Order: sequence, then C-alpha cells, then structure tokens
Amino acid sequence: EVQLVQSGAEVKKPGESLKISCQGSGYSFSLYWIAWVRQTPGKGLEWVGVSYPGDSHVIYSPSFQGQVSFSADKSINTAYLRLASLRASDTAIYYCARLSSGSLSAGNWFDPWGQGTPVTVSS
Amino acid sequence: YEVTQPPSVSVSPGQTASITCSGHNVGDKYTSWYQQKSGQSPVLVMYQDNKRPSGIPERFSGSNSGNTATLTISGAQAVDEADYYCQAWDSRLHVVFGGGTKLTVL
Repeated sequence: EVQLVQSGAEVKKPGESLKISCQGSGYSFSLYWIAWVRQTPGKGLEWVGVSYPGDSHVIYSPSFQGQVSFSADKSINTAYLRLASLRASDTAIYYCARLSSGSLSAGNWFDPWGQGTPVTVSS
Repeated sequence: YEVTQPPSVSVSPGQTASITCSGHNVGDKYTSWYQQKSGQSPVLVMYQDNKRPSGIPERFSGSNSGNTATLTISGAQAVDEADYYCQAWDSRLHVVFGGGTKLTVL
C-alpha cells in the first residue's frame, strides 16, 4: 500500500523556523514527485510547490517563493518542507501528496495524501 | 490561471449533484477532483477529467468541456457530504485548486 506519513503537530512562535517531514512507503520514493499543499483554518487548498526526490528538482508556487524550501533524504524515503520566519498567517495544516508519475506534466494527479501536519504560530 | 467553484451545492438523498469548476478553456486541460470530509485529508475521486480511482463508487463521474469541468454524483448519499476541490495545471506547470464546494445532502 502506498502511504505518506507526516510528522506531528507543531506550535511555534513568530520568527521561528520549522521543518515538516513526509515519509513515503510502498513505492520507489525517488521516482515520484511530492507536492506540498497548505490549508488555512476554514479555507481551501493552496499549492505550495513540488519536489522530485530523485534529483532534488523543485518548483515553488510564486505565492510561497522565498518563504519555504524543500529537501529530501532518499536514504529514509523522506521529503521535507521548511518554513522560515514564521508568521501567524502561516497557521495552517500542511499536506504532502504524491504525484501520479515521475514525469511532471499536466496529466498528473495527487494520490495519496499524507494525514496533514497542523502548524500553529502564536506568541 | 484560475478555476472557480460554487461555494455550496445542496441535494436531496438519491438525487444527482453536479459540482462545477469553471476556467478559461479548462476543457483543454486535465482536471482532478478531491473529496475532503471534515477533519480528514483530501482523497482523489476523479482524475484526468473522467477516470475513477479504484475504490471510488460508480455514482461518481466526471466531464470536462469548454470552460467547465463537472463532477457528478448520481444518487447522492449522506456519506458523500464533504468539501470537493477541483485541480488543474497552468501553462507553467503550476498547480491550481478551485476554492472548494461544500456538498450538503439533506
């Protein structure tokens, strides 16, 4: 079974940084793109970006460029999302999701999704 | 590029629910649909416009033409109550999500 398991809930203060993990299992982790999606309280889904663990290729949403960074450790099948200089507006649930193939194309879909990592930023 | 969904759709049990996703020439793009129940992660219910993943009931179907993609639930059930999001890719291969539609079955 293909599965993505994310790290647990986080509480941070403004200005701090945070790293969320997303561990894949049941498939060849290096061969599929991973997407990151943010959902603020009571709101919809926002695309943060995608990364390819195989060669560390990343694409960031213009809305998040400069505020986030992606990385991966292929040895433990884990992708990471780093959020720097946290603000209260970063309070959200962050999801990782696997793209349907190793080729980035407009025909891709996201499946499965991780369970989400709730992040609270408060002084 | 943007895609737009109605904030809410209501349907009586057993009736057909149609959730639309509007965007300029969205029919030229592939769309996917995700179901998100309260407190849960999104789940893929339709991909490449009209393909249903394994485990998704046959009452879910999809279409995409012109400026509108549509997710149809034929014979909606109470268990289908959820938020539904459409998703497409723009010309820069950036992901676009619709704002979501809350489906109420009552």
